[in-house]
Amino acid sequence: AQSVTQPDIHITVSEGASLELRCNYSYGATPYLFWYVQSPGQGLQLLLKYFSGDTLVQGIKGFEAEFKRSQSSFNLRKPSVHWSDAAEYFCAVGAVTGGGNKLTFGTGTQLKVEL
Amino acid sequence: EAQVTQNPRYLITVTGKKLTVTCSQNMNHEYMSWYRQDPGLGLRQIYYSMNVEVTDKGDVPEGYKVSRKEKRNFPLILESPSPNQTSLYFCASSRQPSNYGYTFGSGTRLTVV
Repeated sequence: AQSVTQPDIHITVSEGASLELRCNYSYGATPYLFWYVQSPGQGLQLLLKYFSGDTLVQGIKGFEAEFKRSQSSFNLRKPSVHWSDAAEYFCAVGAVTGGGNKLTFGTGTQLKVEL
Repeated sequence: EAQVTQNPRYLITVTGKKLTVTCSQNMNHEYMSWYRQDPGLGLRQIYYSMNVEVTDKGDVPEGYKVSRKEKRNFPLILESPSPNQTSLYFCASSRQPSNYGYTFGSGTRLTVV
């Protein structure tokens, strides 16, 4: 079965600093990978997704993520964080199982931005 | 506007009183799913539906029921709610979630006392 690990529960960065959120996945085949963001009191918004091809994918709000098969990782990055980026971030892996399509989510990383 | 609409946004109820959380999408998506979100546990799938009249259990289905009589609607039913079902619930829809990801509703915060 597929699984996702987000090792950092909380991360604090200063506004303007760079950001990297870690995500490791476990899946037997080529995965479909996603990053979602959840602002306080809101639903989840898709930031970016990886299917195949170029391992560096660009998303909305200036985010990017790099797929590294050898490390089973899909880390999210942003060169310069804005205060409005404070939110919870979820990594997810998509798989086609016997029960149909499914997204499995990590436990999330809470990002705090210091002004 | 393409969206998933959940109601209510907030609900406080008492143990054992049946309730229904509604979910509707206007994107003609085949797949719909319910997740619950709890601190430290992330999102866990309760039930999903691959199309009308086709539903199946997710990872944490105990205490919940669903139905899919129409393509756009996927209500979540708690026949006898208990305090351990206090959580934040999300409905989501997709063409094929493993490929496209989900579009999520805004969530329903349920408190069972």
